[in-house]
Amino acid sequence: GAVVSQHPSRVICKSGTSVKIECRSLDFQATTMFWYRQFPKQSLMLMATSNEGSKATYEQGVEKDKFLINHASLTLSTLTVTSAHPEDSSFYICSARVGGASYTFGSGTRLTVV
Amino acid sequence: GENVEQHPSTLSVQEGDSAVIKCTYSDSASNYFPWYKQELGKGPQLIIDIRSNVGEKKDQRIAVTLNKTAKHFSLHITETQPEDSAVYFCAPSGGGADGLTFGKGTHLIIQP
Repeated sequence: GAVVSQHPSRVICKSGTSVKIECRSLDFQATTMFWYRQFPKQSLMLMATSNEGSKATYEQGVEKDKFLINHASLTLSTLTVTSAHPEDSSFYICSARVGGASYTFGSGTRLTVV
Repeated sequence: GENVEQHPSTLSVQEGDSAVIKCTYSDSASNYFPWYKQELGKGPQLIIDIRSNVGEKKDQRIAVTLNKTAKHFSLHITETQPEDSAVYFCAPSGGGADGLTFGKGTHLIIQP
């Protein structure tokens, strides 16, 4: 089946630095990918929609200058958390549509900002 | 946008018993009704889905039932096993190009 590979699975960074998370579709092309954030014991919340070759669209309340999204190819979307703060510590998950209305998800990235 | 409510938030059942989780949604245009299972530290995994032209779908021990008139759908797990312990999310959608709106999740605990 369609697989989305997400890296890294865990990352620890210092406050003020930037972190890049990669999301790759392994056996299919994804013109659209989605980025979610999940805080402990909470649900997944959509942050942004990543569109290949164009600007990402962000959900209300998500700072586009802080969460930079690049979707330069049909198989790769990246999320960069800039000037990270401890409150950005969360579980970040990417997803892609795989035909019809089905979605497949990456394995997630646990970001800890110290 | 879609308002999604999921109940219960926690469900503890004895191994071998059945579990039922209910998801209520607001958008009458929704036509795709999936259930996802998320294990600790992992991304969600689709376990079963149903489309609006079908009332029930079954896959071994797992089933989903849909009541479009009442705008709710349910996940049924029979003969529960320890590996069923996880958090389950519903995410009804209109099948468009948008991302998903998830329910708040149900933590299913299978007691040995």
